[in-house]
Amino acid sequence: SYELTQPPSVSVSPGQTARITCSADALPKQYAYWYQQKPGQAPVLVIYKDSERPSGIPERFSGSSSGTTVTLTISGVQAEDEADYYCQSEDNSGTVVFGGGTKLTVL
Amino acid sequence: EVQLVESGGGLVKPGGSLRLSCAASGFTFSSYTMNWVRQAPGKGLEWVSSISSSSTYIYYADSVKGRFTISRDNAKNSLYLQMNSLRAADTAVYYCARDPGHSSSSTFDCWGQGTLVTVSS
Repeated sequence: SYELTQPPSVSVSPGQTARITCSADALPKQYAYWYQQKPGQAPVLVIYKDSERPSGIPERFSGSSSGTTVTLTISGVQAEDEADYYCQSEDNSGTVVFGGGTKLTVL
Repeated sequence: EVQLVESGGGLVKPGGSLRLSCAASGFTFSSYTMNWVRQAPGKGLEWVSSISSSSTYIYYADSVKGRFTISRDNAKNSLYLQMNSLRAADTAVYYCARDPGHSSSSTFDCWGQGTLVTVSS
């Protein structure tokens, strides 16, 4: 089955840059999407179609893609960015797949 | 304001049934593909099912196929999930989520607050 692999955790100091990767286990890779989820809250879409940012999402959030790996970059991390982050894509049959999630800790 | 409000969760015994509802407001519900996504306690997100705007296309995750049925009533701006033969592994917060349809692949740009389903004897 198609899998998306994320690191379980990433830690950064305030003001630094956080990079969270999401690796697909096969080609072709469909578009990837990123969600932020804070404790007790529903997920929020922060990046769509690999690198597009929805309205209302701060410019410090950006996305990129290379081969079968996509990366969420948060520049100038703030304390409020501490959350779980999930990547999402689809397999070749159109089934939605989520990565396992990455807990971002702001030190 | 776009809003999705789920209801219908609760405690049910293994093998039992439950029907979840999602009331939509603030957008033209009948124009969007809608989805159910769940999250087991302390775990990640799992897509459950999707239904196209006119109910023409319906898809399920393998884990719920044959047990869950998604439906919608565009006149009532409502999405439903009928869950039968429930198992302990179905215990999760169930989210209703909208697909904005701005690409050929699925994504979710608006989520409800979720409703908790607990399957336990």
